[in-house]
Amino acid sequence: GAVVSQHPSWVICKSGTSVKIECRSLDFQATTMFWYRQFPKQSLMLMATSNEGSKATYEQGVEKDKFLINHASLTLSTLTVTSAHPEDSSFYICSARGGQGNEKLFFGSGTQLSVL
Amino acid sequence: SQKIEQNSEALNIQEGKTATLTCNYTNYSPAYLQWYRQDPGRGPVFLLLIRENEKEKRKERLKVTFDTTLKQSLFHITASQPADSATYLCASNSGGYQKVTFGTGTKLQVIP
Repeated sequence: GAVVSQHPSWVICKSGTSVKIECRSLDFQATTMFWYRQFPKQSLMLMATSNEGSKATYEQGVEKDKFLINHASLTLSTLTVTSAHPEDSSFYICSARGGQGNEKLFFGSGTQLSVL
Repeated sequence: SQKIEQNSEALNIQEGKTATLTCNYTNYSPAYLQWYRQDPGRGPVFLLLIRENEKEKRKERLKVTFDTTLKQSLFHITASQPADSATYLCASNSGGYQKVTFGTGTKLQVIP
């Protein structure tokens, strides 16, 4: 099956710094990737849809200047949390559809961000 | 507004029994429903997909149903094992076809 690799698995940073999370599709091309955020014991909340070669589409309430998404190639999307604050601490997960017309989502292993 | 919900936060079941999890949706008609498994600290893993014109799908010990009248999907694990303990999430397309939104999940605990 399709494999999505996400790095880093966890990161601890100081308040005010920026953190970049990478999401790669290893054995398929992903024209669309999705970024989710998950708080403890809660479900996945869709943050944005990342489209290769174009601007990301953000969900209502998600600050696009704070959560910068870049999808520069068919196998790589990045999420940068800018000027991170403790309230940004969360589990961030990326996913991609397993090929054109495939409704299944394949997920990365997630990134636990802790902002001190 | 569109909602997809899993009303049970947690379900405990004895090993060997059938676990049944429920997913309900309101104010929209999804083209399909999906079920995923999520282990702690990991990303979800796809299990099954059922389309609106299908009543039932099976895969090994897993079975999923889709009732468009009740606006509900049921997910069954037969002959449950302790290794089946995890959080199970239902999901559907929303906002058109491209986006996928998730229910809140049900944490299943299979007791030996």
